[in-house]
Amino acid sequence: QVQLQESGPGLVKPSETLSLTCTVFGVSVSSSSYYWSWIRQPPGKGLEWIGYIYYSGTTTYNPSLKSRVTISIDTSKNQFSLNLNSVTAADTAVYYCARETTGPWGQGTLVTVSS
Amino acid sequence: DIQMTQSPSSLSTSIGERVVITCRASESIRIYLNWFQQKRGKAPKFLIHSASSLQSGVPSRFSGSGSGTDFTLTISSLQPEDFATYYCQQSYMTPYTFGQGTNLE
Repeated sequence: QVQLQESGPGLVKPSETLSLTCTVFGVSVSSSSYYWSWIRQPPGKGLEWIGYIYYSGTTTYNPSLKSRVTISIDTSKNQFSLNLNSVTAADTAVYYCARETTGPWGQGTLVTVSS
Repeated sequence: DIQMTQSPSSLSTSIGERVVITCRASESIRIYLNWFQQKRGKAPKFLIHSASSLQSGVPSRFSGSGSGTDFTLTISSLQPEDFATYYCQQSYMTPYTFGQGTNLE
């Protein structure tokens, strides 16, 4: 059974970098059959696609975040990661990792940007 | 970006009723349309892909239709566990975009 689990700090200071890791269980992130996504949801609001990465390291980002976001993959640990720099309060959200967008999804992790 | 607009934003409904949610894309997305269900405090659950193909394990009371710019999600007879927020999402072109959600209450 494929499962994904997000991990990382729940509190980030403004102007700093948000860093999250998604650990994948039950399937290899090296599989050429899938890409791996990050999606976020501000409290009480809708869903925003952040970007995805293929096993090869090829990435595609949402242009609205492209200048601040980096997604990377570590096949040795079966993980992929999200870095979002220069964060503001507007980046406060539940962050989800997912296989593609159809899933499965991780349970999500709330990241609050506050001093 | 392709804009996805759902209607209604919220819907007051009852057990056993037929529910129809619509999703409109700002340009043609052929059939690259997914539907998700999200319950409070949980990750979205994938229901339907390619506009009308039910994900394995999803009850048959859920169905989807449409192509191009206009799509619908239908729940034929609402069950207690169906009270949730529903999102459409286009996977035709990046950036992938979601509708604003429809809350069944």
